[in-house]
Amino acid sequence: RKEVEQDPGPFNVPEGATVAFNCTYSNSASQSFFWYRQDCRKEPKLLMSVYSSGNEDGRFTAQLNRASQYISLLIRDSKLSDSATYLCVVPLYQKVTFGTGTKLQVIP
Amino acid sequence: SAVISQKPSRDICQRGTSLTIQCQVDSQVTMMFWYRQQPGQSLTLIATANQGSEATYESGFVIDKFPISRPNLTFSTLTVSNMSPEDSSIYLCSVGDPRVDEQFFGPGTRLTVL
Repeated sequence: RKEVEQDPGPFNVPEGATVAFNCTYSNSASQSFFWYRQDCRKEPKLLMSVYSSGNEDGRFTAQLNRASQYISLLIRDSKLSDSATYLCVVPLYQKVTFGTGTKLQVIP
Repeated sequence: SAVISQKPSRDICQRGTSLTIQCQVDSQVTMMFWYRQQPGQSLTLIATANQGSEATYESGFVIDKFPISRPNLTFSTLTVSNMSPEDSSIYLCSVGDPRVDEQFFGPGTRLTVL
């Protein structure tokens, strides 16, 4: 099993739709988790952090399921500007593992 | 937050040559990181560069191939040595403790090796 696994997508959704991505991780000792957003040909930027059960910021909700070892990112009322690749990041001790990312394309 | 610049932003190089990438941060930081992002792939950590000590390399990366300098708390360089087409990638530097904090990334250096 990969340390961090994401569905690469692409997820093609219409404007206004709700979309959710999952990210599974293999090591149960991981305590903190992050979602980064990477626009095409740009550097990654932090979207949300998840330290306990979940986190909500406007249209974005991140949740952690420790029993099943996954985190999710829910985007409500999708905007065209949400089109990007969403990277799941799982630190563990001295090591940080990036997921391969899930590509989202919001369609007019 | 941190503002990071990288030079060059892109380059096309011949096989067998070397390229040095510069990373400048607008504030003093202890930890700096160098990542590689190959086409269609996620980020892979190359090494951690802390000022005043030797860089720590991840499995699969060696100092002879990717020598790093960290002369002060705001600057670092990564050299890609004896390049081959397989080194074609985006190289990014970053700061911030990735275990607990937000990481800030530079804009990246897009390298193509012919």
